[in-house]
Amino acid sequence: GAGVSQSPSNKVTEKGKDVELRCDPISGHTALYWYRQSLGQGLEFLIYFQGNSAPDKSGLPSDRFSAERTGGSVSTLTIQRTQQEDSAVYLCASSPLRLNTGELFFGEGSRLTVL
Amino acid sequence: AQTVTQSQPEMSVQEAETVTLSCTYDTSESDYYLFWYKQPPSRQMILVIRQEAYKQQNATENRFSVNFQKAAKSFSLKISDSQLGDAAMYFCASYRQGGSEKLVFGKGTKLTVNP
Repeated sequence: GAGVSQSPSNKVTEKGKDVELRCDPISGHTALYWYRQSLGQGLEFLIYFQGNSAPDKSGLPSDRFSAERTGGSVSTLTIQRTQQEDSAVYLCASSPLRLNTGELFFGEGSRLTVL
Repeated sequence: AQTVTQSQPEMSVQEAETVTLSCTYDTSESDYYLFWYKQPPSRQMILVIRQEAYKQQNATENRFSVNFQKAAKSFSLKISDSQLGDAAMYFCASYRQGGSEKLVFGKGTKLTVNP
């Protein structure tokens, strides 16, 4: 497809399990972002990739969170030993190069529910 | 650090009428961009309008326009002739040129359009 694709769309897991969320950005977009959207909290920045490197990981909430990007394309966000407070919608976005125009292209998100 | 504040968690408007959503921001930089993003129930965020801080003229996009008050650090969105399809969450965001490559978002305003 032409847009940013995220999977799974919805994920329900038990506390303590690991989860992987996948993002497939728009072809040719070198910048990729992960945001977390919790109820009533807006969008919280998690991590930014430029190509395969992550210049800014400052938003990752704890060492249970990690992300990687391979081939300058697909990215995976991994949450280990999930907690109930990890329940949120995880949004991925991409942009062509640098954010000089400010337009991010978003996927539909992955809704994570931790029981 | 950049901060973006949206003081209206919810707003409502009658179809065909005009509504204004408020946003204030805080940045010490002179070169920055401001944005309004829309998030419908499908969760996919889309860019509504963008304003470059160095431009004095307020941005407009069809029924959407902004009131950019640089000295007051205010950036409101006006939606004219509201339509049912305008119902969504609206997020104000800022980007600082030359700084961290990320958008900083407010907590959002939920807009309801009544028929």
